[in-house]
Amino acid sequence: GENVEQHPSTLSVQEGDSAVIKCTYSDSASNYFPWYKQELGKRPQLIIDIRSNVGEKKDQRIAVTLNKTAKHFSLHITETQPEDSAVYFCAPTDSWGKLQFGAGTQVVVTP
Amino acid sequence: GAVVSQHPSRVICKSGTSVKIECRSLDFQATTMFWYRQFPKQSLMLMATSNEGSKATYEQGVEKDKFLINHASLTLSTLTVTSAHPEDSSFYICSARAGTVDNEQFFGPGTRLTVL
Repeated sequence: GENVEQHPSTLSVQEGDSAVIKCTYSDSASNYFPWYKQELGKRPQLIIDIRSNVGEKKDQRIAVTLNKTAKHFSLHITETQPEDSAVYFCAPTDSWGKLQFGAGTQVVVTP
Repeated sequence: GAVVSQHPSRVICKSGTSVKIECRSLDFQATTMFWYRQFPKQSLMLMATSNEGSKATYEQGVEKDKFLINHASLTLSTLTVTSAHPEDSSFYICSARAGTVDNEQFFGPGTRLTVL
């Protein structure tokens, strides 16, 4: 099955700085690569996703880059704000379309 | 965007009782629904996948007789935790997907189950 690793497990940044989270996966059949943000007690919220036919996608302060050869994709958050504080999960799909969640990254943005 | 609801949002029950959680796709037809469990400070763990009109497929280590899943229509799936015990206390989240395997999954708000 899919082996997903996410780093770092915690990330503290000053407001205004950038944050980068990396996710590696093992299943070469993965074709869909989403990132979720989860606040305490809430549902995971899709913040950006990318499919295997593109290498980078950007949406305002959020970007995702994909390297299918190396089997990793990364989340980039620029100009971080306190409301970006949350747990972030990568969840590449396996060949059956099931999301395989990483262990999560606790991001803390300090004012 | 697509909306998925879950009911109840919170439930407290006594050990040995059964609890049913409903997951509904409100504005689209969900060919596939997924059930996840999340313990505090941990990631989401997939429990099972259900397709409308067919039996659910359970992940390794998940007891199908304990976690009964029914996907009776394209808008409703239910998870019943039978003979619940304190170790079943967790946050249960469903998601729903329409169409092909690379389509976005839409998550329900989750159900907090506490077994006394």
